[in-house]
Amino acid sequence: EAGVAQSPRYKIIEKRQSVAFWCNPISGHATLYWYQQILGQGPKLLIQFQNNGVVDDSQLPKDRFSAERLKGVDSTLKIQPAKLEDSAVYLCASSQRGLAGGNNEQFFGPGTRLTVL
Amino acid sequence: QKEVEQNSGPLSVPEGAIASLNCTYSDRGSQSFFWYRQYSGKSPELIMFIYSNGDKEDGRFTAQLNKASQYVSLLIRDSQPSDSATYLCARGGGFKTIFGAGTRLFVKA
Repeated sequence: EAGVAQSPRYKIIEKRQSVAFWCNPISGHATLYWYQQILGQGPKLLIQFQNNGVVDDSQLPKDRFSAERLKGVDSTLKIQPAKLEDSAVYLCASSQRGLAGGNNEQFFGPGTRLTVL
Repeated sequence: QKEVEQNSGPLSVPEGAIASLNCTYSDRGSQSFFWYRQYSGKSPELIMFIYSNGDKEDGRFTAQLNKASQYVSLLIRDSQPSDSATYLCARGGGFKTIFGAGTRLFVKA
């Protein structure tokens, strides 16, 4: 079974530029998550999709970040314009179910390391 | 108060010893907890989940949940150098998943 795919793996941009990340979850997984992990910290949930609907985006800086999950499969996360403090690893994860309780084990992709200069 | 708190460490144990990792949480309504292991430069991978009070064992790993005291722990028996990683505690199970900052574990050969 293929895992969660993400691209690109690394990205270096200058502040005020825009950037987009792509994620392809495990086939059949209804729930998709985007996390931001700053060095030395735990992952912080940015947005959670259930199929193609947003379940939680309370920690997404909506003035600069946007995300979509068309057709309930692939997802893209965009930052426009980027700030220095956006330098982090952006992790995508998926799970079979997200709201039903119990074991909603999340499988993580390799992440995209973003450096904003 | 952070929703999920962990001691950042590092925790250093000799090979073969028991490593004890702890996590506390603030929301009494929290139902399920997860322990993830994250090697440097890699993504988190699930080790165990627990949602009932008491102990849950899986190989060398034992997760303990005490809802009255609002803490979760992970014990690693017979620690190996390959266990050296950051261990993330996460609250999930129907709630928004909240991760702690993680505890760095070093197992000395």
